[in-house]
Amino acid sequence: AQSVTQPDIHITVSEGASLELRCNYSYGATPYLFWYVQSPGQGLQLLLKYFSGDTLVQGIKGFEAEFKRSQSSFNLRKPSVHWSDAAEYFCAVIQNAGNNRKLIWGLGTSLAVNP
Amino acid sequence: NAGVTQTPKFQVLKTGQSMTLQCAQDMNHEYMSWYRQDPGMGLRLIHYSVGAGITDQGEVPNGYNVSRSTTEDFPLRLLSAAPSQTSVYFCASSYKESYEQYFGPGTRLTVT
Repeated sequence: AQSVTQPDIHITVSEGASLELRCNYSYGATPYLFWYVQSPGQGLQLLLKYFSGDTLVQGIKGFEAEFKRSQSSFNLRKPSVHWSDAAEYFCAVIQNAGNNRKLIWGLGTSLAVNP
Repeated sequence: NAGVTQTPKFQVLKTGQSMTLQCAQDMNHEYMSWYRQDPGMGLRLIHYSVGAGITDQGEVPNGYNVSRSTTEDFPLRLLSAAPSQTSVYFCASSYKESYEQYFGPGTRLTVT
């Protein structure tokens, strides 16, 4: 069965430091991969997505992610974190079984940013 | 565009009561879905729809009903609320040919 693993439940970084959030997936075919961010009390916002092509994708808010097929990973990175980046981050993969465009979700990584 | 809107934002129900969570989108998206988010369990798909008049079950459909009479609206009905349905509910939508889903702000439901 398809699955998404986010190994880090909680991460704390200092403002200005670099960030990498890990995501590993289990999916037989070429995956469609996503990173979403959820600020406290808010809905989910798409940060970036990978469908095909260049394995390094750029997203909003200065985030990028790199698809590595050999490692079944899609890690999210940001070179310099801002205090406003404190949020919950979710990695997801599409399971396109017919009409059921089901997103398989990781359990999320909670990011705290120290001033 | 308002995007995906959900009402109410918060709701408290007593066990056995029924209610409808509203979801609407103004982007003419064919695909709409309902998720629930619970601590430690991530987001789980309840029901989805690929167009007006067409709905199907997700992974946790028990206790919930949906209908899709228009492209814009996709209400979620709790038939007889149970404490296990205490959760945050998200509605999402996308174009039929796109995999990018847009989420509403959520409804926080507490069943006592």
